[in-house]
Amino acid sequence: KQEVTQIPAALSVPEGENLVLNCSFTDSAIYNLQWFRQDPGKGLTSLLLIQSSQREQTSGRLNASLDKSSGRSTLYIAASQPGDSATYLCAVPLGTSGSRLTFGEGTQLTVNP
Amino acid sequence: DTEVTQTPKHLVMGMTNKKSLKCEQHMGHRAMYWYKQKAKKPPELMFVYSYEKLSINESVPSRFSPECPNSSLLNLHLHALQPEDSALYLCASSQGVFSGGTYEQYFGPGTRLTVT
Repeated sequence: KQEVTQIPAALSVPEGENLVLNCSFTDSAIYNLQWFRQDPGKGLTSLLLIQSSQREQTSGRLNASLDKSSGRSTLYIAASQPGDSATYLCAVPLGTSGSRLTFGEGTQLTVNP
Repeated sequence: DTEVTQTPKHLVMGMTNKKSLKCEQHMGHRAMYWYKQKAKKPPELMFVYSYEKLSINESVPSRFSPECPNSSLLNLHLHALQPEDSALYLCASSQGVFSGGTYEQYFGPGTRLTVT
């Protein structure tokens, strides 16, 4: 059974700091991994989808890395801004059923002005 | 346009009411999903439609009834709900589904449901 863990559960940083969010998964036989952002009471916004054949994926100030062998992914946010405050979730497909995503519990990020 | 829309944004209903949640996407996606999300928890998958056919039902109680009238629309019919069904209901879509992996899933803003 795939289990996804995100550490830390909450993170508070001053504006301008570079930061790393961590995601680990127990079954390394994944095809891809997706990072989402969720603002309070809102839906999920897809940030990055990284394929198992990729080691990194970048979008603006965001960079996601994937190390299948160690069962880890990181989301790097450069020069954080108050608008980055949200909960960040990672998700991987569950087993061979591509439709099912297993989500981590999320990291709640607060960027202070 | 990577937008999934959901209506209504908020819904309050009694335990004897019948209501429906609606979801729409115009990205040409052939897979659509319903998720339930409780406070401070990640989304939980409820149903998956692939090419307008129900492909996954995660043992959801029959008081939730999904419907996919066409490839762009997804409904969730609600009847005789319980207070514990109060949650944020999220719709998502993706290009399709395939074994072992996922296409990128795009989520709507959700419907905040309160059952009184």
